[in-house]
Amino acid sequence: AQSVTQLDSQVPVFEEAPVELRCNYSSSVSVYLFWYVQYPNQGLQLLLKYLSGSTLVKGINGFEAEFNKSQTSFHLRKPSVHISDTAEYFCAVSRGGTSYGKLTFGQGTILTVHP
Amino acid sequence: GAGVSQTPSNKVTEKGKYVELRCDPISGHTALYWYRQSLGQGPEFLIYFQGTGAADDSGLPNDRFFAVRPEGSVSTLKIQRTERGDSAVYLCASSLTSGGGGEQFFGPGTRLTVL
Repeated sequence: AQSVTQLDSQVPVFEEAPVELRCNYSSSVSVYLFWYVQYPNQGLQLLLKYLSGSTLVKGINGFEAEFNKSQTSFHLRKPSVHISDTAEYFCAVSRGGTSYGKLTFGQGTILTVHP
Repeated sequence: GAGVSQTPSNKVTEKGKYVELRCDPISGHTALYWYRQSLGQGPEFLIYFQGTGAADDSGLPNDRFFAVRPEGSVSTLKIQRTERGDSAVYLCASSLTSGGGGEQFFGPGTRLTVL
């Protein structure tokens, strides 16, 4: 089985500051890794994913994440945030190489960007 | 094109009642997932359909929960004898492929409140 831990439940930052949202996972097998964003009153939207290859993954809206196998981490970063980035962010894993993508999610991190 | 839609958006019911939650996936998506999101938590997997069949129902909490997808498109999640602990947001997602790395597109969810 897989599990995901998001180390911060809330992250407040000022506009144009950099941000890092932390995610650690546990799994005895290879995994695929995802970051989803949930804006208020909207469905979950995929930001980026890591399946294989380069450990630095770039996604939409200027976000990127780095897969670190030795530390079992997949932290999300953005060099300069905007007010519109205020949302809840979820890290998720699915079992690598499987025929379907059952996702295990972390508890979520609420990012609040202040002017 | 249209995304995943879910109806109703909100459902309030009394303890012991029966409810049905509907999911319309993106046209052509063969894989369909149901998740449940309790307050302050990340989504938790309930069930996965590939076509018309439930390929993995390991996340259904008990036999009061049942889901169908008779024609391989629309899916209905059915909850019998609802309990207050069933209160949550029920999310549906669909994916073009069933592969583990495929993007899941989420609906806005149905917020179920059991009084």
